Amino acid sequence: ETGVTQTPRHLVMGMTNKKSLKCEQHLGHNAMYWYKQSAKKPLELMFVYSLEERVENNSVPSRFSPECPNSSHLFLHLHTLQPEDSALYLCASSQDFQDTEAFFGQGTRLTVV
Amino acid sequence: AQSVTQLGSHVSVSEGALVLLRCNYSSSVPPYLFWYVQYPNQGLQLLLKYTSAATLVKGINGFEAEFKKSETSFHLTKPSAHMSDAAEYFCAVSENTGFQKLVFGTGTRLLVSP
Repeated sequence: ETGVTQTPRHLVMGMTNKKSLKCEQHLGHNAMYWYKQSAKKPLELMFVYSLEERVENNSVPSRFSPECPNSSHLFLHLHTLQPEDSALYLCASSQDFQDTEAFFGQGTRLTVV
Repeated sequence: AQSVTQLGSHVSVSEGALVLLRCNYSSSVPPYLFWYVQYPNQGLQLLLKYTSAATLVKGINGFEAEFKKSETSFHLTKPSAHMSDAAEYFCAVSENTGFQKLVFGTGTRLLVSP
């Protein structure tokens, strides 16, 4: 148990579907992150939230829409995805966004068909 | 801009053998350096980190890494591999504090045979 829980663990969706990924942390952290992990590529930072405010958005396509309603929850809303968006999506949290250590969830394995 | 290179996408060792996973970095300022491990179907977990204190850093599960500025390296070692060490290992570098500033390598998969 890492203290960061992601649901669902696996998701298969069609290109016209709308779905959401959920991340919840029980560590009292103030910063949360979404990462994309694709085979043979480095982890790609997608979004950073600090105290529920987005502090970084790394040129992510608009078909990915994050939401952080409070410091414990982070969502990634997905719509009209492409097959190349298939990947492992990881959520992480840290005490604050200046911290150098983060705790990761187990990830959601997304397959777009 | 900082970058990190992990040599070898796969490393195979026998149980009980030395583990050596290589990481070289590029940074214009003294870096912060990290090793993370990802077990199958899990997220990443911090193994150890270098933040300008001792150059030999000890981490969890018997792993350690040595910062060598002259070689711009931060190789990860463990004297004796266990089957449970089979996982993917990621080296990361940052020029500033702040987790979002970390730049990750492409990872090295460690395979341990009996």
